[in-house]
Amino acid sequence: DTAVSQTPKYLVTQMGNDKSIKCEQNLGHDTMYWYKQDSKKFLKIMFSYNNKELIINETVPNRFSPKSPDKAHLNLHINSLELGDSAVYFCASSQRDYHTYEQYFGPGTRLTVT
Amino acid sequence: SQKIEQNSEALNIQEGKTATLTCNYTNYSPAYLQWYRQDPGRGPVFLLLIRENEKEKRKERLKVTFDTTLKQSLFHITASQPADSATYLCALESQGNLIFGKGTKLSVKP
Repeated sequence: DTAVSQTPKYLVTQMGNDKSIKCEQNLGHDTMYWYKQDSKKFLKIMFSYNNKELIINETVPNRFSPKSPDKAHLNLHINSLELGDSAVYFCASSQRDYHTYEQYFGPGTRLTVT
Repeated sequence: SQKIEQNSEALNIQEGKTATLTCNYTNYSPAYLQWYRQDPGRGPVFLLLIRENEKEKRKERLKVTFDTTLKQSLFHITASQPADSATYLCALESQGNLIFGKGTKLSVKP
């Protein structure tokens, strides 16, 4: 069983389009995250979300928005895609009230904007 | 803002030797620090967590130390194997989230 899954694995699209990446976790965790890993392999947090609060990294453009239909899902919507959005996007989850904070990552979605 | 440095982008060692990776940070002291392994084309995988009041943590061939005075963590893999070849990321807690270093790519040669 896959703990954290993402779809699609690859996404190729043109500038200006709107796209979504889906994420699901079956670990029963209360917190989910989106990270961006750029071409230099630098992994940077974009959002963290649980049922109480959404924390947004201030450097993330407002073209990016997370949407959580329920506790097990956190989808990433991106509007008006730009070339600089090309990267690998990782979803992750953790259980914060266990105070361990170890995160479980999905396999990643490679987004290519042309 | 918090800054994390993993001082080697790449580390090449011979099989059977001990690999030592370094993670340094600046500014405030985190409540804990974590190490992850990332293989090409995959997401990071959690390895070890060490808290600010712990000096050392072990798991099988892995050992992590945490020196809050030096603001440094060392990650050791003893009796290294080619299968240990991967990128290793250190991550600091910051307001409940993780800030990752750029990683060190370890290559273990047979």
